[in-house]
Amino acid sequence: AQSVAQPEDQVNVAEGNPLTVKCTYSVSGNPYLFWYVQYPNRGLQFLLKYITGDNLVKGSYGFEAEFNKSQTSFHLKKPSALVSDSALYFCAVRDRGSGNTGKLIFGQGTTLQVKP
Amino acid sequence: GAGVSQSPSNKVTEKGKDVELRCDPISGHTALYWYRQRLGQGLEFLIYFQGNSAPDKSGLPSDRFSAERTGGSVSTLTIQRTQQEDSAVYLCASSLEAERRATQYFGPGTRLLVL
Repeated sequence: AQSVAQPEDQVNVAEGNPLTVKCTYSVSGNPYLFWYVQYPNRGLQFLLKYITGDNLVKGSYGFEAEFNKSQTSFHLKKPSALVSDSALYFCAVRDRGSGNTGKLIFGQGTTLQVKP
Repeated sequence: GAGVSQSPSNKVTEKGKDVELRCDPISGHTALYWYRQRLGQGLEFLIYFQGNSAPDKSGLPSDRFSAERTGGSVSTLTIQRTQQEDSAVYLCASSLEAERRATQYFGPGTRLLVL
């Protein structure tokens, strides 16, 4: 069965320091991988996705993520955290198989807390 | 242009009542998705529409849940005989195409509380 794991419920980081939010997945074959961010009482906002090619993907707001096939991971990173980055982050996966299905499989989410 | 919109933003209902949740996708987007987000949890897929194809209903939790998409645009998710465990945020998303690589863009959600 397909699954996504975000092993940390919360990540705490000081402003200006680098941040990493971890994500691992279990999907047959090579998946499409996504990161979304959710601010309080708002819907999910798309950050970035991995489709193919370069394993390092750059996205919105200075975020990037690295696809690691051997470790089946897609960790979200940012070189210098901002207080405004504090939010709930979701990793999601979609397999490349055939068939009429559109669903994304989501992780449980990681709360990022950036302190001044 | 406008993003995905959903209405109502909040809905409080009594156990046993029916509710209808509405989603207006981004104009021109052919694919539409419904997800449910329970408190403190990730998103659960409910249903997916793509053009005139048969919808993927594999995520609907029970026969009390149904959805339709009229004219390839607006969608309505209906929950009959609501139960307290139906309390959640219901999120709608749309994508420009049905390709699996396509980005899904989410609406703000409808927060449903069943008393």
